[in-house]
Formats: sequence, structure tokens, C-alpha cells
Amino acid sequence: QQQVKQSPQSLIVQKGGISIINCAYENTAFDYFPWYQQFPGKGPALLIAIRPDVSEKKEGRFTISFNKSAKQFSLHIMDSQPGDSATYFCAASAQGGSEKLVFGKGMKLTVNP
Amino acid sequence: GAGVSQSPSNKVTEKGKDVELRCDPISGHTALYWYRQSLGQGLEFLIYFQGNSAPDKSGLPSDRFSAERTGGSVSTLTIQRTQQEDSAVYLCASSSTGQSNEKLFFGSGTQLSVL
Repeated sequence: QQQVKQSPQSLIVQKGGISIINCAYENTAFDYFPWYQQFPGKGPALLIAIRPDVSEKKEGRFTISFNKSAKQFSLHIMDSQPGDSATYFCAASAQGGSEKLVFGKGMKLTVNP
Repeated sequence: GAGVSQSPSNKVTEKGKDVELRCDPISGHTALYWYRQSLGQGLEFLIYFQGNSAPDKSGLPSDRFSAERTGGSVSTLTIQRTQQEDSAVYLCASSSTGQSNEKLFFGSGTQLSVL
């Protein structure tokens, strides 16, 4: 049973375009939703994270939108650049739970020049 | 150290052999995690160590998998009698205190290939 479902599995966008990655979750106890970025041959690195008490968080070109009632959250990459080409993972965890992050299956983003 | 260090970076082994994968977490981090990354399967949790507490082994896929963490620092993941389905990238991560909303720092992983 996959606790965090991520879509699409892959995405190709042109430079300057908007990349959107969606995630859905089932466990209402989740209260921390990070996005990790992974380049080939490297481990994932934290990109941006949100708590459910806000509906949106923006850091530079990256924005998380959170819909608590729908149990969904998404990552928007504005003005996508070739350097953004990577695999993106959404994740979730619950405070006071088992303390481990549950990850989605990842989405491979390719930004063409 | 500057980050989480894993060794070896690549390991090729024959089916049925045992392998050991090593992780050096960031100095001072009390929490250490092992994840497995298989093609198209995302990051699968394996085991979690937090200080002197008993490890959370709930993600280990079979009794062929075990891990230990010595002195609250270095960790070793051991896979006995390796099978072809064990081929994957094994990632180690550490965090400062192990709280659920903490940033995880990942190593670059060990690519395991079982022939």
C-alpha cells in the first residue's frame, strides 16, 4: 500500500515553462510534506517543505501548494531551467509517529534548452 | 565530515554472496536511516536508528537484511545470501535529532548489482 502517490512519472518541459508535480496522501496524521531533488549519481537533497497550517510556500522559483481537504500537495517550478532536470520526490511524515519519511515513487523532469 | 559518506560507491557480487555496505553519518547527528532505491520504485524505507533506542527495523524486506550502528556513529547494512532482486541503490541518510520534520542529509548511495 503506497502511502504517498506521485504523478506524473516523467515530464518534459521547455526552458522557461512551468513544471508541475502532484502528490496525494491517505494518512491524515501526516503533518510535514517535503520535496527532495535528486541528480544522477547523487543522493536526494531537500528542496522545500511545507506544514499543513499554510496553503502555499514559495522559495525562489519553487512553490508548494497544499490542499488539506483533498489531501493533495504539489510542486510548481516556474521558469524551468535545464539545470532543474532531475528526479523529484514528494514525501510525508507524522510528528510523534515512526519519525521516518514516506516517499513517493519520484518524477523524472527533463527541461529542454 | 562535510556530509554523509557511503562506501563502496559500487558493488558487484554474485548471487548467494554476503555484502556489507557502510555509512558514515554527519558528525553529531543522532538519527540514521537506510533507504533502498529501485528503478521506478522510489525510496523504500529499510531501518532507522535514533541514539541508543532500539532501531526501527520495520522496513527490512527479509531476515537476510540486517544493520547495526556502532558507537552511535558508523552504520553497516549487511545483506546475506544476496538475490538478484536485491540489486538497487542503497542510500543512507542522517539527521540532527531524528524529529519527523527534520531535514535528511543523504549520501550518494551504494549501487549494488547482484549477478
